[in-house]
Amino acid sequence: GAVVSQHPSRVICKSGTSVKIECRSLDFQATTMFWYRQFPKQSLMLMATSNEGSKATYEQGVEKDKFLINHASLTLSTLTVTSAHPEDSSFYICSALQGGGNTIYFGEGSWLTVV
Amino acid sequence: GESVGLHLPTLSVQEGDNSIINCAYSNSASDYFIWYKQESGKGPQFIIDIRSNMDKRQGQRVTVLLNKTVKHLSLQIAATQPGDSAVYFCAENYSGNTPLVFGKGTRLSVIA
Repeated sequence: GAVVSQHPSRVICKSGTSVKIECRSLDFQATTMFWYRQFPKQSLMLMATSNEGSKATYEQGVEKDKFLINHASLTLSTLTVTSAHPEDSSFYICSALQGGGNTIYFGEGSWLTVV
Repeated sequence: GESVGLHLPTLSVQEGDNSIINCAYSNSASDYFIWYKQESGKGPQFIIDIRSNMDKRQGQRVTVLLNKTVKHLSLQIAATQPGDSAVYFCAENYSGNTPLVFGKGTRLSVIA
């Protein structure tokens, strides 16, 4: 089946620095990708919808200047957490919508710890 | 999304028993529903889906029931096994290509 890869799977960064998380669709083109954040023992919360070649659409309450999303190709979307703070520590999960269909595939997630 | 982050409810079942996990979805316009299994530290894993023109769908050891009248979705797991222990989420969207909105999840604990 289709595979969505996230990198890195785990990252630790210092407070105030920025960190980039990549989401790749390995064997299909994804015009749309979605970024979720999940805190421990909670559900997945949609952060933004990433559209190839255009600006991302952010959910209410998600700071677009803090969580930069770039979807420069049909197989890659990146999420950059800028000026990270300990409260940004979370599990970040991307999903990709297979072009031409309506099947959504999820990545394995990326653990971010800000110290 | 409409999901609210709350502490997860837990369902404990004996190995071999059947499990029923329930979900109340939020959007009456949603026409596509999915159940996901999430193990600790991993991304969601697709289990089974159902469209709004159906009220029941069966897979291997799993059955999903949809009641649109009361906006309720359930996942039935037959002969529950220790490997079924995980958190289960229902998710919904409209027309299949909009973002999935996740329910709050249920932790299934299988007692051997």
